[in-house]
Amino acid sequence: NAGVTQTPKFQVLKTGQSMTLQCAQDMNHEYMSWYRQDPGMGLRLIHYSVGAGITDQGEVPNGYNVSRSTTEDFPLRLLSAAPSQTSVYFCASSSGQVYGYTFGSGTRLTVV
Amino acid sequence: RKEVEQDPGPFNVPEGATVAFNCTYSNSASQSFFWYRQDCRKEPKLLMSVYSSGNEDGRFTAQLNRASQYISLLIRDSKLSDSATYLCVVNGKGSARQLTFGSGTQLTVLP
Repeated sequence: NAGVTQTPKFQVLKTGQSMTLQCAQDMNHEYMSWYRQDPGMGLRLIHYSVGAGITDQGEVPNGYNVSRSTTEDFPLRLLSAAPSQTSVYFCASSSGQVYGYTFGSGTRLTVV
Repeated sequence: RKEVEQDPGPFNVPEGATVAFNCTYSNSASQSFFWYRQDCRKEPKLLMSVYSSGNEDGRFTAQLNRASQYISLLIRDSKLSDSATYLCVVNGKGSARQLTFGSGTQLTVLP
């Protein structure tokens, strides 16, 4: 059972480039979320989804898009990368809010 | 005021010590509470949920005080392997499905 799988693990982008961070879970979880983690800031919610076809914005959504066409996949798109988006990105999934979330191993993104 | 506040530490304790972490949250409507641990450069992992009646899992005890909007985590008989950052987590403002993380408390257990 793979849990939550994120790809790539590391990425360097130039300012203005776009890319998609992939996230897949094989636990049939309805809830999925994307967080970014910056030093001293803790994890901040970017976007989340409560089921296929349903997404909503979190605390820091600007510059990011998401879609949820299947239960398993929840990709995060960076539209035009900026140095301020240099961060560690975590995808997480849950079967319900009372159960907590399972996290992927993260994507370390550097924008130069 | 941050939605979830924790003492950042660091806490440096000897093996075998008992250590307590505290956390306060601002949203009185919060319904779900958790402690996660995060090792350096790794993903957060769920340590335990926190229930109103308090709950224990081995050496770990979590308490919730809804009136004071306060959560605690007690670690007894600390092990070297307990060294990590401990994150207090509650469901935040707006949708009950959003979790808000504290910035974490760093623990180092010394031999």
